[in-house]
Amino acid sequence: SQQGEEDPQALSIQEGENATMNCSYKTSINNLQWYRQNSGRGLVHLILIRSNEREKHSGRLRVTLDTSKKSSSLLITASRAADTASYFCATDARNTGNQFYFGTGTSLTVIP
Amino acid sequence: NAGVTQTPKFQVLKTGQSMTLQCAQDMNHEYMSWYRQDPGMGLRLIHYSVGAGITDQGEVPNGYNVSRSTTEDFPLRLLSAAPSQTSVYFCASRSLDTQYFGPGTRLTVL
Repeated sequence: SQQGEEDPQALSIQEGENATMNCSYKTSINNLQWYRQNSGRGLVHLILIRSNEREKHSGRLRVTLDTSKKSSSLLITASRAADTASYFCATDARNTGNQFYFGTGTSLTVIP
Repeated sequence: NAGVTQTPKFQVLKTGQSMTLQCAQDMNHEYMSWYRQDPGMGLRLIHYSVGAGITDQGEVPNGYNVSRSTTEDFPLRLLSAAPSQTSVYFCASRSLDTQYFGPGTRLTVL
């Protein structure tokens, strides 16, 4: 499977702290994306980083990509209770046509 | 724009029954896909379509059929439901590098 894996599987932090989650994948990619899923809902796109980029910011989100290690990290700064959700990485792998491959997700709980 | 819509939201089937999960999008996206989500498994691609009349298999296509007669609609058919198909099903459409997901259909097969 070309599916990525997130680490940790679950993370619990206090409001105001930073949350870091990691994603590892197996094959060469065109880009990597992070999605958020609130309980019982569909996934929402957060941020995309291309294979030739190393770091990207969007509001309180910071994403890094290390293609040599086939890994990415998502940092959420100054977390809020509303950030409580599951977070998934998805890779747009090269030579796979139009398919995305999703990781297994990190469940983040932010305690008020 | 309604985005991506899915019906029904919940469904209970008996083993062997057939049904169609509906998916529609109003963003004029050519690429649409179906995923299933199981606990601890992330999302797995069932089938996808790059445009009307064109479909292809994903990671877990067995037991499912799709067709794409229009740009807007991409129904998923379960031919003979099995308990292993109990899952949450998500439809998505894609614009360039971003996928837009529907709210999901929670299917239970008894």
